[in-house]
Parts: sequence; structure tokens; C-alpha cells
Amino acid sequence: QSVLTQPPSASGTPGQRVTISCSGSSSNIGSNYVYWYQQLPGTAPKLLIYKNNQRPSGVPDRFSGSKSGTSASLAISGLRSEDEADYYCAAWDDSLSGPVFGTGTKVTVL
Amino acid sequence: EVQLVESGGGLVQPGRSLRLSCAASGFTFDDYGMHWVRQAPGKGLEWVSGISWSSGSIGYADSVRGRFTISRDNAKNSLYLQMNSLRVEDTALYYCGKDSMVRGAISPSFDYWGQGTLVTVSS
Repeated sequence: QSVLTQPPSASGTPGQRVTISCSGSSSNIGSNYVYWYQQLPGTAPKLLIYKNNQRPSGVPDRFSGSKSGTSASLAISGLRSEDEADYYCAAWDDSLSGPVFGTGTKVTVL
Repeated sequence: EVQLVESGGGLVQPGRSLRLSCAASGFTFDDYGMHWVRQAPGKGLEWVSGISWSSGSIGYADSVRGRFTISRDNAKNSLYLQMNSLRVEDTALYYCGKDSMVRGAISPSFDYWGQGTLVTVSS
């Protein structure tokens, strides 16, 4: 059972900006870094954002992350067809003493 | 090139055991923590267990604590997950993941993933 809540779906047309929210609590997002993962259909997840807003090398700057209080957001600007995937947030949870994932958001490019 | 290759999955009856392995290459294995993350069919990601670079810090999800045991052999560049008392709800694709923190505590930052090994628990 996920402790981080995301909307089940989001969509946009090519070129649009899409934002995905991730809601947690003081024991996870409120006191720790947030990470975002992209999972393309039939593949393993890929680290997209680390430490709230940092991009690993090779990740386009169309992807950006932010955090405020006990919530975080992932924004995809200039949406492309290849961005169609499932997106998960993650954070360390001090109460559970381990990482927790969000419920996941499926992004559809219309 | 970093590679993580999982093996050991299969069909097993409820209550039985299974041991998963993850062979790592392309990086200094004993500098990094490692994790197991699972994904039930059509469902989201669930962290299962993690182990620090030195095996000094180990963690488990509540759903598997007391039944699963994570271990590593740095001499063999390998990660393991011993799964006992398997339940139907343990059915999932099990991914091996590399922590991005060098010689640190385990974290939610998995910078490389394997392709997964499927575990099916059914009678």
C-alpha cells in the first residue's frame, strides 16, 4: 500500500506542459528528498529526477521537479509522444525506515 | 556499462521458498547499496528490501519482513534475496536496483535497474 499519492492519469497534446503531483506526509516528503522515475511500457523504471530537482545526465531539461512542504511535483514541458509512460515519485520514510513509492501516474500524449 | 541481471524466478507453490540472484557488472559493486523492488502484474512499484555497501544497514518492507532475507557477496559482485513462506500476493516482477549513493546509507535513489525476474506464487 503506497503512502505517496499521485493522480492515476494525466494527459496533454504534443508541446503542452503536464504536471504530476505527489502528496505525502511529514515522515517522508516533508523531511526527505523526492525522486521521480519514468517507466516506459514493458521496460524497467529509469531515474528521472533526484534530490527534488536534479536531473541525471542524459535526462532532457524538459523534465523538472519541485517540492513544497509535504508535496512534490514533476513537470514535463514540450510534451512528446515518447514521454508516454508511467511516472512514480519516491522518498525515504522515517517511520517505515525505508523508501516508499507513489501510486503512479500514467501520462498519455493525445 | 552498468549491467544488472536477475535470475531465479519461476512458479512456486504457496508456502515454499525461492532464492533470487542479481549479477552486477560495470561498476565497483562494493561501493554501492543495492535493492530489490517488485511490481505485481498491472500494479505499481513496491520497495522490498535494501542493503548497504558494507551490509551494515539492511531494511525490509513490512510486507516481507521476517520472510525474506537480503544478502550480498561483494567478492562475486552478486545480490541475493531469499524468499521463504511465499504467498500468492508475492507474485510480481522482481527488479534488482543499484543505489546511487557511494558508500552511504541506502536511499530511494536507484540509478540502474535490471530487467527483472518473474516470481509467480500459485497452487
